[in-house]
Amino acid sequence: GAGVSQSPSNKVTEKGKDVELRCDPISGHTALYWYRQSLGQGLEFLIYFQGNSAPDKSGLPSDRFSAERTGGSVSTLTIQRTQQEDSAVYLCASSWKRDPDTQYFGPGTRLTVL
Amino acid sequence: RKEVEQDPGPFNVPEGATVAFNCTYSNSASQSFFWYRQDCRKEPKLLMSVYSSGNEDGRFTAQLNRASQYISLLIRDSKLSDSATYLCVVKGSNYQLIWGAGTKLIIKP
Repeated sequence: GAGVSQSPSNKVTEKGKDVELRCDPISGHTALYWYRQSLGQGLEFLIYFQGNSAPDKSGLPSDRFSAERTGGSVSTLTIQRTQQEDSAVYLCASSWKRDPDTQYFGPGTRLTVL
Repeated sequence: RKEVEQDPGPFNVPEGATVAFNCTYSNSASQSFFWYRQDCRKEPKLLMSVYSSGNEDGRFTAQLNRASQYISLLIRDSKLSDSATYLCVVKGSNYQLIWGAGTKLIIKP
């Protein structure tokens, strides 16, 4: 079946511009996570959605970052007024309620802020 | 101190050799542990969960030492295709997974 998809795969933007990153989780997966990974680093948790519950936004690094999940499926991560330090790979993962610890990742969006 | 620490490597190992690396974690309340594998410029994929009694999956063996708060991964008869970064993941007292920065493994012919 289809895995987690993300778009765009690559995004180059200028400092100060807003960007939107999209994640389409595996059908039926109720949990959705956003992470970012800087070069040579581990994954940094950003935000977590579970079903219709309020999202856990505790990992968002600043108020320039926000995320939505519409209809319990597709999610959009928005970064406003991008900064060079936002450059990273943004990874989305989803998991099934009955096996929450097995996360399936999308291919990521590589964001470069010039 | 980081919550999950790994030796970044790289570990350069000849094909066919056995290699092992550890990961230490700081939260003694951690309940679940995992090894993920990440190929260059690819997304992480679950390699194996780590059970209290240890577990083996083919050439891969994972161990948990709660007293010393570390987990280990051992790869026997290493293959060229084992070259990757191995990420240690620890589940805390809530649902969040805490990720190590990874250990890079290079298998040489």
